[in-house]
Amino acid sequence: DGGITQSPKYLFRKEGQNVTLSCEQNLNHDAMYWYRQDPGQGLRLIYYSQIVNDFQKGDIAEGYSVSREKKESFPLTVTSAQKNPTAFYLCASSIQQAETQYFGPGTRLLVL
Amino acid sequence: RKEVEQDPGPFNVPEGATVAFNCTYSNSASQSFFWYRQDCRKEPKLLMSVYSSGNEDGRFTAQLNRASQYISLLIRDSKLSDSATYLCVVNEAGKSTFGDGTTLTVKP
Repeated sequence: DGGITQSPKYLFRKEGQNVTLSCEQNLNHDAMYWYRQDPGQGLRLIYYSQIVNDFQKGDIAEGYSVSREKKESFPLTVTSAQKNPTAFYLCASSIQQAETQYFGPGTRLLVL
Repeated sequence: RKEVEQDPGPFNVPEGATVAFNCTYSNSASQSFFWYRQDCRKEPKLLMSVYSSGNEDGRFTAQLNRASQYISLLIRDSKLSDSATYLCVVNEAGKSTFGDGTTLTVKP
């Protein structure tokens, strides 16, 4: 089955710790995205990538980093610089940028 | 002013009712539009694209009004399973902007 997978489903972060969220897709999509969703709010774009080895900051990139070494993978690192990381993190992909986006099941990050 | 605005609701309607949501956008250069559905604690899923000519998929009808810069979603004969949050998405120059969503609760 083609689709987008995210792991883990739940992630706990200690103070001062960096954590990495995984996102993999086998849809052969060029574009991939990371969003953050806080309770009762919409999605805010963290980073996006139009093609392998290239990525751009979104609206709330501070405290986050990404890499795009393979077409299928777009991991997101939440660094210790992100002071309020508790949120629902969603990864998405599309054939090309601004086309229909398909979402993974999300990762809930909680701070201990 | 937000780039994309939706009435957050909640909209509470009885089964069988017809309900409509609007989504306004500020950028007149916006090129493509979508409605997504998001269930509680789940990822958004594409409901339908919105075309200039309007489009219908079963009980759902989406329309675009470029002159007034809004898109709409009409749900006829509401089902209990339609209860969810509906997000509109507006694309312009490769950037997608999501609305905060409108929550619908359909009651027996």
